[in-house]
Amino acid sequence: NAGVTQTPKFRVLKTGQSMTLLCAQDMNHEYMYWYRQDPGMGLRLIHYSVGEGTTAKGEVPDGYNVSRLKKQNFLLGLESAAPSQTSVYFCASSNRLAGLNEQFFGPGTRLTVL
Amino acid sequence: RKEVEQDPGPFNVPEGATVAFNCTYSNSASQSFFWYRQDCRKEPKLLMSVYSSGNEDGRFTAQLNRASQYISLLIRDSKLSDSATYLCVVNMGYGGSQGNLIFGKGTKLSVKP
Repeated sequence: NAGVTQTPKFRVLKTGQSMTLLCAQDMNHEYMYWYRQDPGMGLRLIHYSVGEGTTAKGEVPDGYNVSRLKKQNFLLGLESAAPSQTSVYFCASSNRLAGLNEQFFGPGTRLTVL
Repeated sequence: RKEVEQDPGPFNVPEGATVAFNCTYSNSASQSFFWYRQDCRKEPKLLMSVYSSGNEDGRFTAQLNRASQYISLLIRDSKLSDSATYLCVVNMGYGGSQGNLIFGKGTKLSVKP
């Protein structure tokens, strides 16, 4: 099992460009999450999904969109990148009871917006 | 008051030392508590869950004090490989996923030979 994988691992964008980050998990988990991690800040939840075809906003959703067309994939989109979106993005997944069971994280995507 | 607060450190300790990390949380309705470990430039990984009765896993002991809204992690006989950032994580008990996790900023530990 690969667990949770993320592509790409690194990306540099110019302000205003768009991109999509892909997260894939092979553990048949219902729940998936996108976080961002910035220096001096804890992980902050951007969006999450409790199942195929459903998404919900987290703590910092502005400037991002997500889609969960297939259970194993969770996509994070930046329509018009801004320097404030320079960060490390982590995807995670868990089975139904997220609070009682651990979240499994992908290796992260390091994004720089110039 | 921030939802989950930790001393950022860094804690610099010699091998073999005992070190303790503390964490406070603001929401008294919080349901579940965890310690995650994050190595430099890596993803967080679950170290251990924290139970009301306290729990131990080898050299690691976690304790929860609900009355004081306080969580602790004790590491005995520190190893070089324990060097990492330790994240205090709390499930606030709300959200469509039956609980979204709130992460502290982390406490950095550096174990020296």
